[in-house]
Amino acid sequence: DIVVTQSPDSLAVSLGERVTINCKSSQSVLHSDNKNYLGWYQQKPGQPPKLLIYWASTRKSGVPDRFSGSGSGTDFTLTISSLQAEDVADYYCQQYYSTPLTFGGGTKVEIK
Amino acid sequence: QLQLQESGPGLVKPSETLSLTCTVSGGSISSRDYSWDWIRQPPGKGLEWIGSFFSGGSTFYNPSLKSRVTIFIDTSNNQFSLKLTSLTAADTALYYCARGQENAALGKGWLDPWGQGTLVTVSS
Repeated sequence: DIVVTQSPDSLAVSLGERVTINCKSSQSVLHSDNKNYLGWYQQKPGQPPKLLIYWASTRKSGVPDRFSGSGSGTDFTLTISSLQAEDVADYYCQQYYSTPLTFGGGTKVEIK
Repeated sequence: QLQLQESGPGLVKPSETLSLTCTVSGGSISSRDYSWDWIRQPPGKGLEWIGSFFSGGSTFYNPSLKSRVTIFIDTSNNQFSLKLTSLTAADTALYYCARGQENAALGKGWLDPWGQGTLVTVSS
């Protein structure tokens, strides 16, 4: 199984400031098609996860452009360029390079 | 807009079998290029993928649950279902259904959208 590790577990940031969440996979999720098989999800309290980003850096239609994904191989980052109140949530990365699909442990983002 | 809704018992006794159904609306469960997946989340914890039913008819299960899991689809009712046997307290979780994006290269893709989830408690 590919183990996916996120850091930090939680962080508190002031409104308008930058948020950076890291995700590391135990083996490369970069395929020979030059795509990274990794996605990011946002889960607000009491709601199901919602897809934010796929192919590590492609924003889903309708997702605000303050959310961006980067990285390749085994190391990835989700960035919120300017934290808004509605961004308070848990964030998860997920690899889909191989089954079983696996998720990171999650990062809780709060307002300082 | 595709929507998914889970249904099933909220309380199940230890050693019994859990049966959950996901009803799909706004699209056909027979669509190519998509799989139909189950994921669970123990209270206050992270996400665990349970398994998928692929458009070609094959299934893939998490090895940690493989001996106890069955996923199947009912095209006539546009539904897919999860069966999990020999329940213990460790199976207490919020159970989600989701559509998986298949891809030509490696088969699996991201999960979108998700149902609202249904809480299952295993207790006598």
